[in-house]
Amino acid sequence: DSGVTQTPKHLITATGQRVTLRCSPRSGDLSVYWYQQSLDQGLQFLIQYYNGEERAKGNILERFSAQQFPDLHSELNLSSLELGDSALYFCASSANPRGGEKLFFGSGTQLSVL
Amino acid sequence: DAKTTQPPSMDCAEGRAANLPCNHSTISGNEYVYWYRQIHSQGPQYIIHGLKNNETNEMASLIITEDRKSSTLILPHATLRDTAVYYCIVRVAKRDDKIIFGKGTRLHILP
Repeated sequence: DSGVTQTPKHLITATGQRVTLRCSPRSGDLSVYWYQQSLDQGLQFLIQYYNGEERAKGNILERFSAQQFPDLHSELNLSSLELGDSALYFCASSANPRGGEKLFFGSGTQLSVL
Repeated sequence: DAKTTQPPSMDCAEGRAANLPCNHSTISGNEYVYWYRQIHSQGPQYIIHGLKNNETNEMASLIITEDRKSSTLILPHATLRDTAVYYCIVRVAKRDDKIIFGKGTRLHILP
C-alpha cells in the first residue's frame, strides 16, 4: 500500500459528460502529480501541484483541469468527455518536488467513456 | 531533463539476475537516475535511485557508470512477480518538475 488513495476505482460514463477524479496523497506529502495511461500507452504526465499551487504542466487538454485543496487532496476534472479519454488515471505524491524524492503512486482510476 | 533509452523488452529466467540497461548520454551533473516499475495496470512503484555512486536496497541494485552516461538495474534473483515494465528516468533537481516516463523495458521472467 503506497498510502496514496484514489477514488473511484472505476468510472463508466458517456461521451459529453463531466467527471471528477479524487486523490488523497500520503500523509505529509505536499506534491501531487496526475498521469494518464491509455491502453498499451506509456504514462503521460498531465499536471503537478505543490502545496496548492500549480508547478508543472504537461500535455493536459483544455477540457481537463485540476486543483489541490488546502487539505492537500487533489481533484482532476474531465469535461466534454470523448471516447479517447478512456484510460487509467494515476495520481502520485511526493514530499517535495525537488530532486532526490520518490513518487508514490495510487492504484488508479479506470475511466471508461462509452 | 536528459532523455533515456531502454530496450523495449527483455527475458530472464526465474532465479537468475535480471540486468536492465539504460542509456542517458546527455545526463547533467545534478540529474539523478530513478527506476520505477509497473506491474500490469497497477500504479508504478519506486525501486531505487542514485546520483553518482552505486546503490543497493532490498529490491535491487543500481550500477551507474563512471561517466554517468548509462546505468544498469539489477534484480539479483528474479521471480515471476518481477514481470513488469521497468522505467528509467533522469530527473533534474528543481522545483517545477515534469516527471516524464518513457516507454520502459517490458521484462518477462520465464519459469
